[in-house]
Amino acid sequence: QVQLVQSGAEVKKPGASVKVSCKASGYTFTSYGISWVRQAPGQGLEWMGWISAYNGNTNYAQKLQGRVTMTTDTSTSTAYMELRSLRSDDTAVYYCARGVEMATTTLGYWGQGTLVTVSS
Amino acid sequence: EIVMTQSPATLSVSPGERATLSCRASQSVSSNLAWYQQKPGQAPRLLIYGASTRATGIPARFSGSGSGTEFTLTISSLQSEDFAVYYCQQYNNWLDTFGQGTKLEIK
Repeated sequence: QVQLVQSGAEVKKPGASVKVSCKASGYTFTSYGISWVRQAPGQGLEWMGWISAYNGNTNYAQKLQGRVTMTTDTSTSTAYMELRSLRSDDTAVYYCARGVEMATTTLGYWGQGTLVTVSS
Repeated sequence: EIVMTQSPATLSVSPGERATLSCRASQSVSSNLAWYQQKPGQAPRLLIYGASTRATGIPARFSGSGSGTEFTLTISSLQSEDFAVYYCQQYNNWLDTFGQGTKLEIK
């Protein structure tokens, strides 16, 4: 069965960087892209971006351009999301997710979420 | 950026009744629209994609309709487990966006 297992919670200071991992299993990793979605406490869902696990192509939300980098390691079937220059409003649960269909972001499979807290 | 606007923000409905949730896109997204359900402390769950296709395992009481800029999620007869927050998502141009959510609460 498809599983996405994310790394554990992080506490970071403003200005620092965080890198969250998402290890996939149960399918051919390079056949599907991985999306990243975050949710601030008590708020809605925010789409952050998508990476093709096939060729590494990325699309990022305009709001995060220049601060976010998504990568994959096909040897370990793991996707990564790095966010730099952290601010307090980056405090959120970060999810990785996979589409139910190839080449779409209809997010039918989700990781368990990683809480990132940014605080001085 | 395509802006997705959901209405109402909160919907109060009695169990057994019908619930209708709306989602509007600031420009056409064709049928590239999905609906998600989220309960506290859980990841979102995909309900509908392609505007009207139920995801695997989703009960038939959930249905989606619409195309272009206007979309609707209908829950035909509310069960206790359906009270949650619902989000729409457009995935038309590889720059996805979510609506702000509709909270479906028990009346």
